[in-house]
Amino acid sequence: EAGVTQFPSHSVIEKGQTVTLRCDPISGHDNLYWYRRVMGKEIKFLLHFVKESKQDESGMPNNRFLAERTGGTYSTLKVQPAELEDSGVYFCASSADRGTDTQYFGPGTRLTVL
Amino acid sequence: AQSVTQLGSHVSVSEGALVLLRCNYSSSVPPYLFWYVQYPNQGLQLLLKYTSAATLVKGINGFEAEFKKSETSFHLTKPSAHMSDAAEYFCAVRKEWTGTASKLTFGTGTRLQVTL
Repeated sequence: EAGVTQFPSHSVIEKGQTVTLRCDPISGHDNLYWYRRVMGKEIKFLLHFVKESKQDESGMPNNRFLAERTGGTYSTLKVQPAELEDSGVYFCASSADRGTDTQYFGPGTRLTVL
Repeated sequence: AQSVTQLGSHVSVSEGALVLLRCNYSSSVPPYLFWYVQYPNQGLQLLLKYTSAATLVKGINGFEAEFKKSETSFHLTKPSAHMSDAAEYFCAVRKEWTGTASKLTFGTGTRLQVTL
């Protein structure tokens, strides 16, 4: 069974540009999460999808971030326009819709904004 | 609200020595607790989880953790370190499940170095 995959693995962009990160969850997992780790800090929650609906987006930093999950399969996270403080590693995780289910993480996308 | 404190951002042990990584949590409701590990260039992998069953939880690769409510701790241990254990370890907390899956709150991570 394939794990959670993320694309790209690295992205280097200039301030003001747009970047789109993609996450493919484990097949059949209804729950999809985005997290971010800024260098030296803790991994922080961004948002949670249940199928195509946003269950919790309390962690989204501001309206420059837009997450979508059309069709309830893969998800994209767009940052537009990117700022220096957006640099970090963006993790995606997925879990099946059961009570104590484990969140399985992807390898992350390292975003560097210059 | 939940929070997690990991004491020591870097821990160094000799191969064969005891590994002890500390995690204290704060939660207003019964917590679920997790330890994840991140090896270089890989994603986070679940080591073990506590979900209100047995207080001593055994995980993969010889790791275990004990939930101590009186100390609000969930320290990770391994009797004998191996070079392959060198990685970054994250403690995380989640509210007890109430019908929907919910977000994890992580500590800042502890990087484990294993020396010969």
